[in-house]
Amino acid sequence: EAQVTQNPRYLITVTGKKLTVTCSQNMNHEYMSWYRQDPGLGLRQIYYSMNVEVTDKGDVPEGYKVSRKEKRNFPLILESPSPNQTSLYFCASKPGLAGPSYEQYFGPGTRLTVT
Amino acid sequence: ELKVEQNPLFLSMQEGKNYTIYCNYSTTSDRLYWYRQDPGKSLESLFVLLSNGAVKQEGRLMASLDTKARLSTLHITAAVHDLSATYFCAVDIRDDKIIFGKGTRLHILP
Repeated sequence: EAQVTQNPRYLITVTGKKLTVTCSQNMNHEYMSWYRQDPGLGLRQIYYSMNVEVTDKGDVPEGYKVSRKEKRNFPLILESPSPNQTSLYFCASKPGLAGPSYEQYFGPGTRLTVT
Repeated sequence: ELKVEQNPLFLSMQEGKNYTIYCNYSTTSDRLYWYRQDPGKSLESLFVLLSNGAVKQEGRLMASLDTKARLSTLHITAAVHDLSATYFCAVDIRDDKIIFGKGTRLHILP
């Protein structure tokens, strides 16, 4: 089944404790992206990657790191989480600019709480 | 500043009625997306609009794109309760950066 998976789905942590949220897709998509969703703000893009070893900042990259060493994986790293990073996080993937489809597939989401 | 503005943000409507959600954006875009999100769920892709004048329809939903006006619409025909959800538009700008609108929460009353 074509899908984007994220782990963990739920995480409660404390300020300053490094964490990684994993994201993996099995559709051989070139493009992957991380978003955070907050009430009243919609989704905001954190980082995106157009291919292996190519990453770019989205609208809200501060406090986050990413890496794209393999095509299928795009982990999100919070080196020193703070309470304002409490949010619902989505990973997504889609084919690259060559298409054939531009449809973006979303993972199930990771609800992160930082105390 | 890059902006994607949806209106209305909240919409309560009766079953059987028609309505339109508007999505305005402030910069040139190659692609516009519409998504649906049910409470507590992830996003589901509804439409991808690629060119000026593009129109796509699926069931009671129809989306259109006017790139000159930087406007997309999502039209709901004869609404049914199952269409209650939050709808997002998103704009794909240069280098594949994607900007989302804040979403329209649609509640359809039986």
